Amino acid sequence: SQTIHQWPATLVQPVGSPLSLECTVEGTSNPNLYWYRQAAGRGLQLLFYSVGIGQISSEVPQNLSASRPQDRQFILSSKKLLLSDSGFYLCAWSTGGVLAGEQYFGPGTRLTVT
Amino acid sequence: QKEVEQDPGPLSVPEGAIVSLNCTYSNSAFQYFMWYRQYSRKGPELLMYTYSSGNKEDGRFTAQVDKSSKYISLFIRDSQPSDSATYLCAMSAWYNTDKLIFGTGTRLQVFP
Repeated sequence: SQTIHQWPATLVQPVGSPLSLECTVEGTSNPNLYWYRQAAGRGLQLLFYSVGIGQISSEVPQNLSASRPQDRQFILSSKKLLLSDSGFYLCAWSTGGVLAGEQYFGPGTRLTVT
Repeated sequence: QKEVEQDPGPLSVPEGAIVSLNCTYSNSAFQYFMWYRQYSRKGPELLMYTYSSGNKEDGRFTAQVDKSSKYISLFIRDSQPSDSATYLCAMSAWYNTDKLIFGTGTRLQVFP
C-alpha cells in the first residue's frame, strides 16, 4: 500500500530564517506530487506541483520554492521566511491524468513564523 | 468573486440526521469534483470523486453535481458523531486536472 511521509510535524522559526520541508512517498512509482498551504480559516491553496523529477509548476508567486530531486521526494524551501508564511503545509500525491483529483495527503507540517 | 464558494458553517446536527453540504462555482471548465474530509490538525482524506454531472453514492455518502447550475452537494445519511469534521469541496478543470481549487470548508458537528 502507499504511504506518504512529511517531516517535521511542527516547526517554529524566526522571521528571516531558511526553511526546508520534506515529503516522501512509498509504494508507488512516478506519482504527481503537490505542496499546499492551509492558513487559519482558509481553504487549501496549491503552491507547487510536479509531474516528474525536476519538473515543477508554481501556482502562487511567493518566496517559496520546490524541488523534486528523486521520483518520490518533494522538498519545499525558503531562503528567508516571512510572518505570512505561517500555516499548515500539506504534501499530497496522485497518479495524475483524469485521476489527479484523487489526491492522498500526508499528515502535514504546522509552521509558525515568529 | 471566488472561483469556489462554500458556506463555512459551523453546522450542528443531532446523530441520525441527514446532512447537506454545498458548494457553488463560477468556472464552467470545471469537470472533476471532489469532497474531502479533514479532522482537526490532520491532512484531508478523499471521500468522493465525481466526473461531470450526476450522482454518485458510497455507503452513507451521496455526491451530486449540477453543472447547469454550477452547484455540487454532499449528502450524509444517518450522521454519526465520528462524522464531525471539516468538509472541503474541490474541483479541477479539464485543461489542468492537477490544479485543484478548494472551497474554504464547512465545519460539521454531530452531537449524540
